[in-house]
Amino acid sequence: DAGVTQSPTHLIKTRGQQVTLRCSPKSGHDTVSWYQQALGQGPQFIFQYYEEEERQRGNFPDRFSGHQFPNYSSELNVNALLLGDSALYLCASSFGQLYIYGYTFGSGTRLTVV
Amino acid sequence: RKEVEQDPGPFNVPEGATVAFNCTYSNSASQSFFWYRQDCRKEPKLLMSVYSSGNEDGRFTAQLNRASQYISLLIRDSKLSDSATYLCVAAAALYNTNAGKSTFGDGTTLTVKP
Repeated sequence: DAGVTQSPTHLIKTRGQQVTLRCSPKSGHDTVSWYQQALGQGPQFIFQYYEEEERQRGNFPDRFSGHQFPNYSSELNVNALLLGDSALYLCASSFGQLYIYGYTFGSGTRLTVV
Repeated sequence: RKEVEQDPGPFNVPEGATVAFNCTYSNSASQSFFWYRQDCRKEPKLLMSVYSSGNEDGRFTAQLNRASQYISLLIRDSKLSDSATYLCVAAAALYNTNAGKSTFGDGTTLTVKP
């Protein structure tokens, strides 16, 4: 039973560039949430996708966008990268929005913006 | 003020000690609560859900006090392997406008020493 897979694991980008991160949810899960975790802080909610639509969004600018595909996988896109976007980006999957059983996280993509 | 607040610690305890972490949440509409464990440079992993009646899983006991809006985690007979950061999570009610959003605290760091 595959867990949540994220790619790539590490990424170095230059300020102003664009990046796409990918996530495949755990088998049987259909909801994907994305989080940003800066060093020493807890994960910050970016947005959640369910039924191929963005259902909830946290306090992140429009430079952060996403997509969910019919197979439930998801992408996170960040445009016009800033140094402050350097962080661990975590994908979390769950079944529906009934996350009463909690999330399963992927191992994350560590993004460094230079 | 953050929606979910935790004492960052660090808590340094000897093996065998009992340690308790508290967490407060500000959104009274929060419905589901969790504790996650995060090892250094790894993804968070669900430790346990938190119910109003309290719940126990081996050496771990979680409690929820809705009136005071706080959540606790008690670890008995600490092991070296319990060393990690413990993240408190409050999730919006299913039919709340924020349904789908889970808010993490910044975590409490525990180090168990021989």
